Formats: sequence, structure tokens, C-alpha cells
Amino acid sequence: QVHLVQSGAEVKKPGASVKVSCETSGYMFTAYAIHWVRQAPGQRLEWMGWINGANGNTKYSQKFQDRVTITRDTSASTAYMELRSLRSEDTALYYCARLDGSGFYAHWGQGTLVTVSS
Amino acid sequence: DIQMTQSPSSLSASVGDSVTITCRASQGISNSLAWYQQIPGKAPKLLLFAASRLDSGVPSRFSGSGSGTDYTLTISSLQPEDFATYHCQQYYRVPSTFGQGTRLDIK
Repeated sequence: QVHLVQSGAEVKKPGASVKVSCETSGYMFTAYAIHWVRQAPGQRLEWMGWINGANGNTKYSQKFQDRVTITRDTSASTAYMELRSLRSEDTALYYCARLDGSGFYAHWGQGTLVTVSS
Repeated sequence: DIQMTQSPSSLSASVGDSVTITCRASQGISNSLAWYQQIPGKAPKLLLFAASRLDSGVPSRFSGSGSGTDYTLTISSLQPEDFATYHCQQYYRVPSTFGQGTRLDIK
């Protein structure tokens, strides 16, 4: 059974960085890409970027290109998303999701709430 | 980026009713469309992909159709567990984009 388990909630001050982990199990980590999607309060789901589980190649949304880094540790079957220079507008639920088929997500992490507040 | 517009933004219905939610893309997306259900505080759950294909385990009262830029999600014979928010997602072009969501409430 496929599981994606994310790290716990974080509270950060403006300008700080946050790193969220996504530990996977139940499948071969290197066979699938992991994507990151966020949902700010009252806003639509927003794609941030993804990492190829096999070779570590990444692609980021232009909106986050300068502030986000997605990495992976294949020995731990875990993906990470780091967001820097946090501002209040980054307060959101951050989800990791496994890419299935040609672009949809059948498996999601439980979400990690990141709160940015002074 | 491809813009996705859902309508309505919210609707109220009763158990047993049938409802339809529409998703319109700003350009053709060749059926590269998924629908998700989200309960507050939970991650989205995949319902359909490729516009009309049910994900494993999803009840047959959920159905999808459409082509080009216009797509619909229909839920027939609403059950209590169906009252949630529904999102569409296009994955035809990177970046993948989502609709603003449709909240389905009990009347």
C-alpha cells in the first residue's frame, strides 16, 4: 500500500526558510516523480515543482523558481521541499504527491501546515 | 499558464440529488483533466482522470465528460459523504493548474 507521510507543522518568521519532508513507502521510490502542491487559505491548489525519483532532476514553477529547492534521499525514500525567504503569503498547507499516469496524483501526503508570522 | 475556471463556486443540494460541476480551460487540454474531492483538513482524493476514467475504488455515481476546453463532473444520487469541495486539474501543459474549487453543501 502506497503511503506518503509528511513532517509536522512549522511556524516560521518572515525571511526564514522551511524544509518539509515526504517519506514514502509501499512502492519503488525511484520509479515515480514526487510533486509539491500548496494550498493557501481560501486559494486554489498551486503546483510548485517536482523531482524525478530516479535521477533527481527537478523542475519548478516560475513563481517559486528563485526560492524553492526540491531534493531527495533515495536511501530513505524521502523527498524534501525547501522554501526560502518566507513571507506571510506563504502561509499554506504544503502537500507532496506522487505523479501517476501522465500528470495526475492518486497518492498524496497528509499535508504540512506552514505558518509564517512575526 | 492554462487558466482553469470552475462553476459554480458553491452549490447546495440534498441527499439523493444529482449535481453537475463544470470546469473550463483557457485553451484546449485534450482530455488531460482530473477531478479531486477534498474534505476539510484532508488531502485531495483523486476521483477521475483523463476526463472520464474513474480511479480505482471510486463509486460509479461519479462520472466525467467533456472535450476541448469544457469538462463536467456529475455526481448522481448524492450520498452524505459526497458533501465536500471538488477541484479540477489540467495536466496537459506544465505548469499543471487547478480550478478554484466548488464547495458542495447539504441543503
